Amino acid sequence: EIVMTQSPATLSVSPGERVTLSCRASQSVNRNLAWYQQKPGQAPRVLIYDASTRATGISARFSGSGSGTEFTLTISSLQSEDFAVYYCQQHDNWPRSFGQGTKLEIK
Amino acid sequence: QVHLQESGPGLVKPSQTLSLTCAVSGVSISSGDHYWSWVRQPPGKGLEWIGYIYYTGSTYYSPSLKSRVIMSLDTSKNQFSLELTSVTAADTAVYFCARAPIPSGHFDYWGQGTLITVSS
Repeated sequence: EIVMTQSPATLSVSPGERVTLSCRASQSVNRNLAWYQQKPGQAPRVLIYDASTRATGISARFSGSGSGTEFTLTISSLQSEDFAVYYCQQHDNWPRSFGQGTKLEIK
Repeated sequence: QVHLQESGPGLVKPSQTLSLTCAVSGVSISSGDHYWSWVRQPPGKGLEWIGYIYYTGSTYYSPSLKSRVIMSLDTSKNQFSLELTSVTAADTAVYFCARAPIPSGHFDYWGQGTLITVSS
């Protein structure tokens, strides 16, 4: 099973700032990596898949990069609605696996 | 408009079987273009993938849950189901059903989730 590790666990940032979240896989997942945003009481929402493809309706301020074992999600200018928990997930191998999440907090 | 909706008992006693159903609308689960999955999230914790079922009935379960999981589908009702046997308090979680397009495999549509509490 592939283990996904996200860093940091919590990030305190101010609105308008640029932020980068990291995700590492225990073995190569090629470019088969997705990012999700989850707000309290809601289901996760896919932001990025195939490492860098934005899902339908997702703002261009979200971008993904990486391949193999190292991936990043960048939010170019944080808006109030972006404060949430972000998960990465590999969709290369079975079983599918998620990172433990990074929580974006308002500074 | 694709929509997934979970339904279940809310409360299950320890050692019993948890049964959930995901009703799908806006797309046929028989189309062959998607895997139909279950994901769970214990309160305050992260996401755990449970398994998937394909329209043919083929399944793949997480190794950590494989001995206790059964998934099935009812194409006439356009829904799929999860059974988790011998539940304990550790199985208390919000259970989500989700769709994964083939070949990509990410989860593009999710149900709202249903909280299942295991308690006597």
